[in-house]
Amino acid sequence: DGGITQSPKYLFRKEGQNVTLSCEQNLNHDAMYWYRQDPGQGLRLIYYSQIVNDFQKGDIAEGYSVSREKKESFPLTVTSAQKNPTAFYLCASKPRGARNTGELFFGEGSRLTVL
Amino acid sequence: AQTVTQSQPEMSVQEAETVTLSCTYDTSESDYYLFWYKQPPSRQMILVIRQEAYKQQNATENRFSVNFQKAAKSFSLKISDSQLGDAAMYFCAYRTRRVAGGTSYGKLTFGQGTILTVHP
Repeated sequence: DGGITQSPKYLFRKEGQNVTLSCEQNLNHDAMYWYRQDPGQGLRLIYYSQIVNDFQKGDIAEGYSVSREKKESFPLTVTSAQKNPTAFYLCASKPRGARNTGELFFGEGSRLTVL
Repeated sequence: AQTVTQSQPEMSVQEAETVTLSCTYDTSESDYYLFWYKQPPSRQMILVIRQEAYKQQNATENRFSVNFQKAAKSFSLKISDSQLGDAAMYFCAYRTRRVAGGTSYGKLTFGQGTILTVHP
């Protein structure tokens, strides 16, 4: 079945450590996104990528980095510069062109807890 | 910048009854999408319903329907014959249809969410 796989589902890290969250999709979608979810604040966009080797900052990119070396993969690194990294992270994707019906398709998320 | 507001942090409904979740948004654009997503305890975001702003007819998906008031910038979700499985967090979201590049391409702007409880 086609879908978006995020790993790990749960991750614990000490302060000051960089962590990388994986996002892989086999939907042949061109665009991919990373959102952060905090209680009472909805989802906020961290980074997005429309095509391979290209990505743009979202609303809260500080302290995060991404890469898009393959169409299927869009990993997110939470760096030690991120002041409050404990959150739920959601990866999403979207097709372009005729298959684009507007909505994003989401993975199951990764819960990061920094101790 | 576009903003989306959900003024009801929590709502509850009896099984088989009807409930309406509110959403308002602010935009200067005329062509856009609006969505309602459901996030059950599993945390996976599931699309409930989609509305394109140029369509005057309100979208309907089985027990889910919307009341889209473009001039008032209001987009409420009505759930009829509520079921226990409808219990979840519901998010309203906005997306421009603008396709000529720009930093907002494809970006969804979400409201704060409404927690829906369904009582048996």
